[in-house]
Amino acid sequence: AQSVAQPEDQVNVAEGNPLTVKCTYSVSGNPYLFWYVQYPNRGLQFLLKYITGDNLVKGSYGFEAEFNKSQTSFHLKKPSALVSDSALYFCAVRESLDTDKLIFGTGTRLQVFP
Amino acid sequence: DVKVTQSSRYLVKRTGEKVFLECVQDMDHENMFWYRQDPGLGLRLIYFSYDVKMKEKGDIPEGYSVSREKKERFSLILESASTNQTSMYLCASSSLLIAGGSTDTQYFGPGTRLTVL
Repeated sequence: AQSVAQPEDQVNVAEGNPLTVKCTYSVSGNPYLFWYVQYPNRGLQFLLKYITGDNLVKGSYGFEAEFNKSQTSFHLKKPSALVSDSALYFCAVRESLDTDKLIFGTGTRLQVFP
Repeated sequence: DVKVTQSSRYLVKRTGEKVFLECVQDMDHENMFWYRQDPGLGLRLIYFSYDVKMKEKGDIPEGYSVSREKKERFSLILESASTNQTSMYLCASSSLLIAGGSTDTQYFGPGTRLTVL
């Protein structure tokens, strides 16, 4: 069965430092991968997705993610964190080739300290 | 911009009550989804609809039903609310997958925080 794992419940980083939020996946076939962000008391907002092509995907708010097939990972990165990046981040993978359903990870809370 | 709206941000109900959560999207999307979000569990799919009057069970459909009479509206119904249904409920919509093409992004509403006493 398809799945994603976010191994860290929380990530703490100082403002201005690079940040990484980890995601690994398990799928049969080529994965379609997504990152979403949830700010307090809000719904999820789309950040970026990997379908095919370049392994480095650029998204909203200066975020990017690197698809690594050999390590089955899709880590979210940003070169310089902002306090306003503090939020809950979800990785997701499409369930199968013939459905639009997504499987979400458990989420990672990012805390950026001033 | 895609807009997905949910009828209430906060809702408090009593055990045994019938509860309706409404979701409306304005982008003519074929797909609509209902999730619940609980700490440490992420998002879990309750029901999914890919067309009017069509529905498909998700991972945790027990205790819930849905209705989609119009393309833009997808309702989640708790027939008899229980305390273990206290949660954040998120609605989402997306375009229908094009055969051989890429999957479309899901767009989310702001969520309804439901408390069942």
